Amino acid sequence: EAGVTQSPTHLIKTRGQQATLRCSPISGHTSVYWYQQALGLGLQFLLWYDEGEERNRGNFPPRFSGRQFPNYSSELNVNALELEDSALYLCASSLDGYSNQPQHFGDGTRLSIL
Amino acid sequence: AQKITQTQPGMFVQEKEAVTLDCTYDTSDPSYGLFWYKQPSSGEMIFLIYQGSYDQQNATEGRYSLNFQKARKSANLVISASQLGDSAMYFCAMREGRDDKIIFGKGTRLHILP
Repeated sequence: EAGVTQSPTHLIKTRGQQATLRCSPISGHTSVYWYQQALGLGLQFLLWYDEGEERNRGNFPPRFSGRQFPNYSSELNVNALELEDSALYLCASSLDGYSNQPQHFGDGTRLSIL
Repeated sequence: AQKITQTQPGMFVQEKEAVTLDCTYDTSDPSYGLFWYKQPSSGEMIFLIYQGSYDQQNATEGRYSLNFQKARKSANLVISASQLGDSAMYFCAMREGRDDKIIFGKGTRLHILP
């Protein structure tokens, strides 16, 4: 069974640009979560999608947005990139978002802002 | 107040010894789940073990076990017979009730010495 896959592995952008990160969940998983792991700040919850809807978002500005497609894959979009957006972005999926099913993580996308 | 506290930022342990990684949590919800994840230097997050608040027995998965002390709100991870490949960052996390997101601690960096 394939795990959670994320692309690209690395992404280099400059300030003010826009970045799109992609995630494919484990087959059968309907919930997708996005986390930001900035250096020294641990894992911060960004967004949760389930059945195509945004169910919750963390304490991030609106320039962080995303969507979930009918096949449950997801995109994270970050507009007007700032230097502090440099981080590892992790996507996770779970069977559903309403029970204590573990979240399984992808390998992450490392976003670097120059 | 922090929901998840991991008091050991770093630990050095001799190979083959047992390791206990501390985690305390704070919640008033009677229904919650506790998770441990391992993050090697490559960045991916690996689910290790789960303990539900109503589970009567401590969770075990191979060399991993969870020392769950509900009254003390403690969920320590025990790794038996440590191996060099156990060197990684370890995160304790909690999900409250029917909430969607998982809250992570700041992590403990474990170094296994040969």
